[in-house]
Amino acid sequence: ETGVTQTPRHLVMGMTNKKSLKCEQHLGHNAMYWYKQSAKKPLELMFVYSLEERVENNSVPSRFSPECPNSSHLFLHLHTLQPEDSALYLCASSQSARLAGTGELFFGEGSRLTVL
Amino acid sequence: DQQVKQNSPSLSVQEGRISILNCDYTNSMFDYFLWYKKYPAEGPTFLISISSIKDKNEDGRFTVFLNKSAKHLSLHIVPSQPGDSAVYFCAVGESGGGADGLTFGKGTHLIIQP
Repeated sequence: ETGVTQTPRHLVMGMTNKKSLKCEQHLGHNAMYWYKQSAKKPLELMFVYSLEERVENNSVPSRFSPECPNSSHLFLHLHTLQPEDSALYLCASSQSARLAGTGELFFGEGSRLTVL
Repeated sequence: DQQVKQNSPSLSVQEGRISILNCDYTNSMFDYFLWYKKYPAEGPTFLISISSIKDKNEDGRFTVFLNKSAKHLSLHIVPSQPGDSAVYFCAVGESGGGADGLTFGKGTHLIIQP
């Protein structure tokens, strides 16, 4: 089983739909992240959770709502998204959020989201 | 304004030759530098890193060079192989306060020609 698993791999939704992305890590890490990768843009950090508490929210619109029920699972709830939100959403984990600047991030394969 | 710049969106190199990927950063507070590799339909995977106390780190065919005064790092792959064809992301971080995680560049698409 891979270290970080994301489902679904592909998601198409209308602007009025509500959907969720799921991430699960099997590495025993204490920090989990959501990144957004849009075409021709750098990976953008959206949320950081450390020991199930959100420690970072980089001015992400409220139509994105994260949830971290335990240290192994992370969700991104999506509601009334816009077409410009279409992107690859990557989940990652690391040993510690405090050391994230030096530690390696382990990424999932991503969820490709298309908003119609 | 981008804190991490990879100015070459793509790079084509012949198999067996050296591939050199470049990355520039703006903030001198960054003291840890990483390269990630990404294949299509997969997440990025860690490749190699270097801390600011070093100017070179080597791992097999991959070497990362750091020039702190120029705020520049590069990744050398030699010899280049077809399996090296991927997008390479430069990432930078701070050892002192890492809740922000890493800051990434836009990536360089490396194409190894047979």
